[in-house]
Amino acid sequence: EPEVTQTPSHQVTQMGQEVILRCVPISNHLYFYWYRQILGQKVEFLVSFYNNEISEKSEIFDDQFSVERPDGSNFTLKIRSTKLEDSAMYFCASRVSREGYEQYFGPGTRLTVT
Amino acid sequence: AQTVTQSQPEMSVQEAETVTLSCTYDTSENNYYLFWYKQPPSRQMILVIRQEAYKQQNATENRFSVNFQKAAKSFSLKISDSQLGDTAMYFCAFEESSGDKLTFGTGTRLAVRP
Repeated sequence: EPEVTQTPSHQVTQMGQEVILRCVPISNHLYFYWYRQILGQKVEFLVSFYNNEISEKSEIFDDQFSVERPDGSNFTLKIRSTKLEDSAMYFCASRVSREGYEQYFGPGTRLTVT
Repeated sequence: AQTVTQSQPEMSVQEAETVTLSCTYDTSENNYYLFWYKQPPSRQMILVIRQEAYKQQNATENRFSVNFQKAAKSFSLKISDSQLGDTAMYFCAFEESSGDKLTFGTGTRLAVRP
């Protein structure tokens, strides 16, 4: 069964550094998402992406964040200058269509900012 | 803005017994979708069951069923014949019919006792 994959599984970085989190969505999916989950808290929406542009973004997704689909298969989340509070689990998700279709989640990347 | 509330942070059930997880939500929308996602200790979220608000019939997937009360804005999950593999975090989630993101509750940690 096709799966969403994410790399790396765990990333440790120093405050102020740039990180890129990578995701490979399911191949026939058109809608892509990033969510994050701070330890012990709920999963929060960051951004949705369709047709090579952002569809919707949350208040969390400020100028330090960007997303890209550079080559038609990968979907990346870049954090330009990491802060301690960016430490969280970041989940990528994809789906074939909107309006209630299931979002398929990847296993997540644990980002630790020191 | 939509909110999703799960009032039970932790639940425990004996194997083979039945357990019900609660979820309430707040929205002014008439058309929307509701989901229960399971997040096992491996942390990849998996869809358990999905309900369309315009359908009065409660969704059922094998041992999993929902009690959807639209007027009360309630969406509980019933797990029958609980199995050890049901041990996980369960998240209730909401999506507007015109939206493009999931809004999650804080989750209920379910432990199935042998």
